[in-house]
Amino acid sequence: DVVMTQSPLSLPVTLGQPASISCRSSQGLVYSDGNTYLSWFQQRPGQSPRRLIYKVSNRDSGVPDRFSGSGSGTDFTLEISRVEAEDVGVYYCMQGTHWPTFGQGTNLEIK
Amino acid sequence: EMQLVESGGGLVQPGGSLRLSCAASGFTFSNYAMSWVRQAPGKGLEWVSTIINSGGSTYFADSVRGRFTISRDNSKDTLFLQMNSLRAEDTAVYYCAKGLRGVMGDVWGKGTTVTVSS
Repeated sequence: DVVMTQSPLSLPVTLGQPASISCRSSQGLVYSDGNTYLSWFQQRPGQSPRRLIYKVSNRDSGVPDRFSGSGSGTDFTLEISRVEAEDVGVYYCMQGTHWPTFGQGTNLEIK
Repeated sequence: EMQLVESGGGLVQPGGSLRLSCAASGFTFSNYAMSWVRQAPGKGLEWVSTIINSGGSTYFADSVRGRFTISRDNSKDTLFLQMNSLRAEDTAVYYCAKGLRGVMGDVWGKGTTVTVSS
């Protein structure tokens, strides 16, 4: 299985400040079609996961543009340009190039 | 609006069986692969199983292969997960999600809770 390793696991952030989450895969994630299937999900307290980003850097419909994804190979990043109160929750990266595996999750909280 | 609604969870003894359902609406169900993902209490997300749109191919995580079966009824826009030989470690919220592998997860249900305990 492809192991996804996130850091940090806990992320206290001041409102209005930026935040960054790193995700590293144990294998490269480029699929035979040339795409890199790395997604980011947000799970607010008591809610189902919601996909924010797919194929590294594509925002899902309705996702605020303060969320952005980047990376290549085995190293990927989710950035929030200015954290808002509604961003509190756990963030997961997921690789879908092989059968899906998720990172451990990063708990974002407001300082 | 695309929607998935799971049902069928509950309390079951170790070694028992349970069948989960996921009713889809708001999209052409028969065009899409579907997946199950679970989340143990206080833990992260784990992919469980996927079925392609026709139902002709199914895929399972090692942790459930041989015990779980995934199926679908495209005439009723419904996805199923038959869970046999349940273990305490199968205790989790089970979510259905639209799609497979790299395109999985643009739509999720609210989940149904399975508790395996004597």
